[in-house]
Amino acid sequence: GAVVSQHPSWVICKSGTSVKIECRSLDFQATTMFWYRQFPKQSLMLMATSNEGSKATYEQGVEKDKFLINHASLTLSTLTVTSAHPEDSSFYICSAYTERGKETQYFGPGTRLLVL
Amino acid sequence: KQEVTQIPAALSVPEGENLVLNCSFTDSAIYNLQWFRQDPGKGLTSLLLIQSSQREQTSGRLNASLDKSSGRSTLYIAASQPGDSATYLCAVYPGGSYIPTFGRGTSLIVHP
Repeated sequence: GAVVSQHPSWVICKSGTSVKIECRSLDFQATTMFWYRQFPKQSLMLMATSNEGSKATYEQGVEKDKFLINHASLTLSTLTVTSAHPEDSSFYICSAYTERGKETQYFGPGTRLLVL
Repeated sequence: KQEVTQIPAALSVPEGENLVLNCSFTDSAIYNLQWFRQDPGKGLTSLLLIQSSQREQTSGRLNASLDKSSGRSTLYIAASQPGDSATYLCAVYPGGSYIPTFGRGTSLIVHP
């Protein structure tokens, strides 16, 4: 149980386009979902926390107009990278939290974004 | 602010060795501590979760211990295999929060 999926697993896009990444909790309802970014050989950096039906809370230094987060249901959150640029190229990982869990987060498989 | 340090940053060993990966954290007021494995280009796989009332957890060849007072956790891997090659991340959950702070990881290579 507690499986989180992400789609797509990788995406290549041209500079200036927008890219949407989906995060789904497959077998549970997620109270809260999180979006992380990971640079090569670096740890995970929390970008934002989202609760279903409310606005996401962004970490300091993360542009909310650049990284749009929508948490429309208890099983789906989306991250849209708007007007992507090469510096947005990274590995994006989502996670989900459920109060019925062991007070940990359950992580998705990640999405590799390459902006040309 | 919680800081999590993992030592060593990289490790290369021959198959069969017993390994110890270290994780230290600056604020001992933590709730849970979790060890993850990450394969190149992949997401995180949870290995062991040590909850607040526990001092260690075991799963197969893996054993993780936690000493909150000294701010340390160790991940012990017995009889290492090439399939153990991956990056191992330590994540510390502060008291009252389910948002962890991650270390940078230890990159492990086990060669045949």
